[in-house]
Amino acid sequence: QQQVKQSPQSLIVQKGGISIINCAYENTAFDYFPWYQQFPGKGPALLIAIRPDVSEKKEGRFTISFNKSAKQFSLHIMDSQPGDSATYFCAARIIQGAQKLVFGQGTRLTINP
Amino acid sequence: DTEVTQTPKHLVMGMTNKKSLKCEQHMGHRAMYWYKQKAKKPPELMFVYSYEKLSINESVPSRFSPECPNSSLLNLHLHALQPEDSALYLCASRRAGGPPDEQFFGPGTRLTVL
Repeated sequence: QQQVKQSPQSLIVQKGGISIINCAYENTAFDYFPWYQQFPGKGPALLIAIRPDVSEKKEGRFTISFNKSAKQFSLHIMDSQPGDSATYFCAARIIQGAQKLVFGQGTRLTINP
Repeated sequence: DTEVTQTPKHLVMGMTNKKSLKCEQHMGHRAMYWYKQKAKKPPELMFVYSYEKLSINESVPSRFSPECPNSSLLNLHLHALQPEDSALYLCASRRAGGPPDEQFFGPGTRLTVL
């Protein structure tokens, strides 16, 4: 019940296209949903995050869409660029106690020039 | 300063060695985390310190021993590790007690156990 399911595992998109990564969860105790971007050999870096009282959040080319009733959220990368090639992790935070993050399995995104 | 630093960047150790990983942040964060990340997998939580007290231990083997000597420092002491413990060890920190919610990750220590 503490799982976050992420799909697809890998994604190839042409430069300028839209990249879409999806996540789903079961636990209604999650209260914060961040997306992390990780380049090889680096630590994850927060890309964008959303709370469940908001259905969409946009920051530049990155948008999170959140569907509370379906317990799903997704990351959209508009005008995808080769520099966006990285692994993306969705996550969900359990509000109780020390507020740990539960991560999805990750999506390896490749943007072809 | 919005940075979490980790030393060393790389570490190779034998199964009988004792070594330590170090993490430091000067953002005033009072929650600090150790994660283990295997290749092509998400970070896996190991320990959480909140206000310098251990608040979560995710059933980590005792050959990993965390320490939080002060609010800026987090150590992970390693002893008698196994080859399967080879991984990227990530430290993260977060402002405890309210937003912002972001966990800031360090660059990690790449550990190889021979």
